[in-house]
Amino acid sequence: GAGVSQTPSNKVTEKGKYVELRCDPISGHTALYWYRQSLGQGPEFLIYFQGTGAADDSGLPNDRFFAVRPEGSVSTLKIQRTERGDSAVYLCASSLKGGTSPLHFGNGTRLTVT
Amino acid sequence: GENVEQHPSTLSVQEGDSAVIKCTYSDSASNYFPWYKQELGKRPQLIIDIRSNVGEKKDQRIAVTLNKTAKHFSLHITETQPEDSAVYFCAPWDFNKFYFGSGTKLNVKP
Repeated sequence: GAGVSQTPSNKVTEKGKYVELRCDPISGHTALYWYRQSLGQGPEFLIYFQGTGAADDSGLPNDRFFAVRPEGSVSTLKIQRTERGDSAVYLCASSLKGGTSPLHFGNGTRLTVT
Repeated sequence: GENVEQHPSTLSVQEGDSAVIKCTYSDSASNYFPWYKQELGKRPQLIIDIRSNVGEKKDQRIAVTLNKTAKHFSLHITETQPEDSAVYFCAPWDFNKFYFGSGTKLNVKP
């Protein structure tokens, strides 16, 4: 079946601009995660959704970052007033029911802030 | 939160040799311990996992061992092949999230 889909695959934006990154999880997966991966590092947790609600947003670095999942399926990660330090690969993952269910990752969105 | 350390950061082996990567974690409440493989430019993919009620799990050439008392778990790859070359991440689960280690770059030389 279809895996986790992320769009766009690449995004280049200027410092100070607003960006939206989209994630379409595996159908039927109730849990959705956003992670951020910088070059040479492991994925860093940002936020976890169970259904429509953010069950844990403790990894969002500051209030410029926000994510939604209004219908419990597709999720959008929104970054306001982008900074060069936001440049990274943003990975989305879904799992069947959260908790210790294995993660299925998308291919990520490579964000470059110039 | 969880403090995760992975060793070594890089590992170079000859094709056919074994490779072992160790992951230590800090929270004794963790009860699920997966390993992910990430090839260059691709997504991380689960290769093996273990839960805290078992000490070892094998799947063909890969195995994971868990020592809950010492709070570490290890990935073992036997008869390594060039296609095993990748970055490997441990990611113990702890209360809502998976904490990824910094990765081990494995290079298998033909």
